[in-house]
Amino acid sequence: DIQMTQSPSSLSASVGDRVTITCRASQSISNYLNWYQQKPGKAPKLLIYAASSLQSGVPSRFSGSGSGTDFTLTISSLQPEDFATYYCQRSYSTPFTFGPGTKVDIK
Amino acid sequence: QVQLQESGPGLVKPSGTLSLTCAVSGGSISSNNWWNWVRQPPGKGLEWIGEIYHSGSTNYNPSLKSRVTMSVDKSKNQFSLKLNSVTAADTAVYYCARWIMVGTTYYFDYWGQGTLVTVSS
Repeated sequence: DIQMTQSPSSLSASVGDRVTITCRASQSISNYLNWYQQKPGKAPKLLIYAASSLQSGVPSRFSGSGSGTDFTLTISSLQPEDFATYYCQRSYSTPFTFGPGTKVDIK
Repeated sequence: QVQLQESGPGLVKPSGTLSLTCAVSGGSISSNNWWNWVRQPPGKGLEWIGEIYHSGSTNYNPSLKSRVTMSVDKSKNQFSLKLNSVTAADTAVYYCARWIMVGTTYYFDYWGQGTLVTVSS
């Protein structure tokens, strides 16, 4: 099975900072990669699908890039409501493996 | 607006069977989507359990396949999860979610609120 890794596992940042999270697949998954945001006690929320497409209603400060094995989620200017855990997930075929998550907290 | 709601016992004894149901409202379970279960142990990450189509076709996580059974009840617009031989390691928040396929893109678009299931005697 394809394994997903993320880095860093956690980071501390300030409001207004540019934040970059990396996701790596153990073999090529083309652009079949989604990003989710999860806040404590809540279900995950889709941010980005197909590696770089912004889900409707998601602020434009979120962006995704990458293809093959290496992907990036970028928050251009971190806002207070963005403090959360972020997960990447491979799509297209099962098992729909998630990355281990990146927790973004307040510096 | 599609809504999903998990229900089932919050406490299961070790070696017993975990049984959950996900009720779908605002949409038909017979639509061209797959219906999934995802779990999250306390303080840990997300683990995909498996999926079911309204026809009854299933795909399971290989790590859980021997213990998982999913079913669908079209008359009630709901689907279910059974996980047998549970241990404390199966303690988690269990989410149901809809997997959507739009052209060549695929993702979870709707989720239930999640239900905590604790395995303990």
